[in-house]
Amino acid sequence: DIQMTQSPSSLSASVRDRVTITCRASQSISSYLNWYQQKPGKAPKLLIYAASSLQSGVPSRFSGSGSGTDFTLTISNLQPEDFATYYCQQSYSTPPTFGQGTEVQIK
Amino acid sequence: EVQLVESGGGLVKPGGSLRLSCAASGFTFSSYSMNWVRQAPGKGLDWVSSISSSSNSMYYADSVKGRFTISRDNAKNALYLQMNSLRAEDTAVYYCARVSVATYSEWYFDLWGRGTLVTVSS
Repeated sequence: DIQMTQSPSSLSASVRDRVTITCRASQSISSYLNWYQQKPGKAPKLLIYAASSLQSGVPSRFSGSGSGTDFTLTISNLQPEDFATYYCQQSYSTPPTFGQGTEVQIK
Repeated sequence: EVQLVESGGGLVKPGGSLRLSCAASGFTFSSYSMNWVRQAPGKGLDWVSSISSSSNSMYYADSVKGRFTISRDNAKNALYLQMNSLRAEDTAVYYCARVSVATYSEWYFDLWGRGTLVTVSS
């Protein structure tokens, strides 16, 4: 199975900050990498697919980059509604696997 | 409205069985592969099982293989997960999730239900 490792596990940031979350795969996954946002008690929500494609309806302050084994989710101009947990997920091979999550907290 | 609604969760004793359902609406259910993903309390997301649009292919996580069975009824727009020989470590919120495919076969979970809680405890 492909292991996905996110860093950091949590971070504290302020509104209007720029936040970067990293996801590393245990082997090359090309661009088969997705990002999800999850708020407490809610289902995950797709933000980014295929490493850098923004899902319809997702604000443009969210962006993704990377290929191979190293990927980044960037939130520019952090908004109050962005405080949540973020997960990466590889769709390169079965079983699909998720990172352990990164919690973005209010500073 | 495009949505997925899970049901069937509850409290069950170790070794017991439970059948989860996921009702789809607002889209052509028969055109999509579907999955179950679970989340133990306070933990991350964990893929459980997938089924192709026509039920030709099914896949399972090693942790549930031989105990869980995924199925679907395209006429009823419904997805199911039959869970047998349940263990305490199966305690989680179970989400059904739809798969969509991008231009170069990259796929992703683009629609999720709100989840149903399964608690395995004596």
